[in-house]
Amino acid sequence: QLQLQESGPGLVKPSETLSLTCTVSGGSISSSSYYWGWIRQPPGKGLEWIGSIYYSGSTYYNPSLKSRVTISVDTSKNQFSLKLSSVTAADTAVYYCARQPITMVRGVRFWGHFDYWGQGTLVTVSS
Amino acid sequence: IQLTQSPSSLSASVGDRVTITCRASQGISSYLAWYQQKPGKAPKLLIYAASTLQSGVPSRFSGSGSGTDFTLTISSLQPEDFATYYCQQLNSYPPMYTFGQGTKLEIK
Repeated sequence: QLQLQESGPGLVKPSETLSLTCTVSGGSISSSSYYWGWIRQPPGKGLEWIGSIYYSGSTYYNPSLKSRVTISVDTSKNQFSLKLSSVTAADTAVYYCARQPITMVRGVRFWGHFDYWGQGTLVTVSS
Repeated sequence: IQLTQSPSSLSASVGDRVTITCRASQGISSYLAWYQQKPGKAPKLLIYAASTLQSGVPSRFSGSGSGTDFTLTISSLQPEDFATYYCQQLNSYPPMYTFGQGTKLEIK
């Protein structure tokens, strides 16, 4: 059974860099059939996609966060990571990592949906 | 592309048939997924490709639509279905995975 687990500091100071790692177990991050993504959810609010990475290292970011986000992958450790720089209180949220399969349906490729999620980790930005 | 869900909240009873709508600001073919989220938990994928049921999801959940208008239907509400539901755009290039604002389904 595939499992994803987020880890990292729960408290980050304003203007500093938020760093989280997602460890994947029960499956390989190096499969060509998946992307791996980060999503966040501010308290009481909706979901926001942050960015995604392929095992080869290709990355895609939400344009609204692109200038501050870096996502990387370490296939030897079966992990991928998120760095978000210059954080403010608005970056306080539960951060999730998740898998994005590439799926064939009726001869058409679909991608972008998140089928396995980590439990999420709350990151608070405060001095 | 913006996704607008309606209603934002909904009260219903066990056994009711419930429909939630997701409207895209421009046509997205069948490139849509639906999720269920319970308090304190990660979202759970219910449907992708607008109408394909994710493995393990009960058949009382169904999705339909294409282009700009999509629906999630729960045929007979069960107590465990009370949650918040989100739609999400798929297959965008360059990738931009927008979510709807959510629909909170509450017990009447």
